[in-house]
Amino acid sequence: AQSVTQLDSHVSVSEGTPVLLRCNYSSSYSPSLFWYVQHPNKGLQLLLKYTSAATLVKGINGFEAEFKKSETSFHLTKPSAHMSDAAEYFCVVNRNTGFQKLVFGTGTRLLVSP
Amino acid sequence: DSGVTQTPKHLITATGQRVTLRCSPRSGDLSVYWYQQSLDQGLQFLIQYYNGEERAKGNILERFSAQQFPDLHSELNLSSLELGDSALYFCASSVDTGFNSPLHFGNGTRLTVT
Repeated sequence: AQSVTQLDSHVSVSEGTPVLLRCNYSSSYSPSLFWYVQHPNKGLQLLLKYTSAATLVKGINGFEAEFKKSETSFHLTKPSAHMSDAAEYFCVVNRNTGFQKLVFGTGTRLLVSP
Repeated sequence: DSGVTQTPKHLITATGQRVTLRCSPRSGDLSVYWYQQSLDQGLQFLIQYYNGEERAKGNILERFSAQQFPDLHSELNLSSLELGDSALYFCASSVDTGFNSPLHFGNGTRLTVT
């Protein structure tokens, strides 16, 4: 069965420093992987998606993620954090088994200090 | 703005009552999904509709039901409400049911059962 594990429940960085949010996946099939961001009292917004094309995926707001099959990882990175990046981030895997059913990770809360 | 509209934003009701949550998908999207987000369970997939037909079921209780209407809006009905049903309910839509089609989320309905 497909699943994702977000290795950190909280990540704290200073503004201007790099961001790394870790995600490992488990999938019996070639997966589709997504990162979503949720700001307080808001819905989830798609940051980026991997769909078996390029392994390095660029998303919105300067985020990118690299699909590494050998490591079953899909970590999210950003070179320089902004205060506005403070939010909850979800790694998501999609079942490629006939119908779409997203499986969400437990989320990583990113805290950005001045 | 994702283009997905959910009403109402907040709902406070008593145990044993019944409520209806409404969702209008993005223009052109045929598929609608319902998710429940709570502190202890995280994001849980409830049910999916495509062009008026139920396509997939997740962890949806028998007390809950949903439907998608010919104009593609969807309603989630929650009955015999319990305290544990208090959560944020999200609707999402996608253009189709393809694995690579990202979901676009509304801002959610916060349900409080007292």
